[in-house]
Amino acid sequence: NAGVMQNPRHLVRRRGQEARLRCSPMKGHSHVYWYRQLPEEGLKFMVYLQKENIIDESGMPKERFSAEFPKEGPSILRIQQVVRGDSAAYFCASSPLQGAREQYFGPGTRLTVT
Amino acid sequence: AQKITQTQPGMFVQEKEAVTLDCTYDTSDQSYGLFWYKQPSSGEMIFLIYQGSYDEQNATEGRYSLNFQKARKSTNLVISASQLGDSAMYFCAMREGTAGTASKLTFGTGTRLQVTL
Repeated sequence: NAGVMQNPRHLVRRRGQEARLRCSPMKGHSHVYWYRQLPEEGLKFMVYLQKENIIDESGMPKERFSAEFPKEGPSILRIQQVVRGDSAAYFCASSPLQGAREQYFGPGTRLTVT
Repeated sequence: AQKITQTQPGMFVQEKEAVTLDCTYDTSDQSYGLFWYKQPSSGEMIFLIYQGSYDEQNATEGRYSLNFQKARKSTNLVISASQLGDSAMYFCAMREGTAGTASKLTFGTGTRLQVTL
């Protein structure tokens, strides 16, 4: 059973470009969470999605960031007009149901904005 | 106020010795879950151990165990018989609310553990 998959693992973008980060949850998991880890910090919650629904986006910056989890295909975290402060590791986690004991994390995408 | 506090930015332990990593939390919920994750230098997040607020016994998973003191709101991770491969960042995290309703995890700032020969 494949784990949570994220791609790309490393992404380099120039300031002003768009970044698209993808997350495929574990088989049978319909709940996806995105977290951001700034250098030398802990993970910070960004958004929680179920298929076709955003359940909690309380951690998402108000501008430039958006997330979706379509009926078919991976969850996408989209960052428009990236700035240097967006450089971070972005982790996706999935669980089989809401509030499941464990969230299974993907390997992360390391975004570098130059 | 910090919800999860890890006061030890770095710790050293000799191989084969035990080490305790501290974590305190702050919540007004009666039902919550506490987690520890390991993040090696490769960057992935590895789930280690879980403690539910209503669990009466301290959780154990192999060489990992929790010293859960609910009244003090602390959940310290004990790693016994440390190995070189235990060198990593360790994060404490909390999920507030009843399992089945709550979702997001709140993480501490982490403790970097270095195991020495």
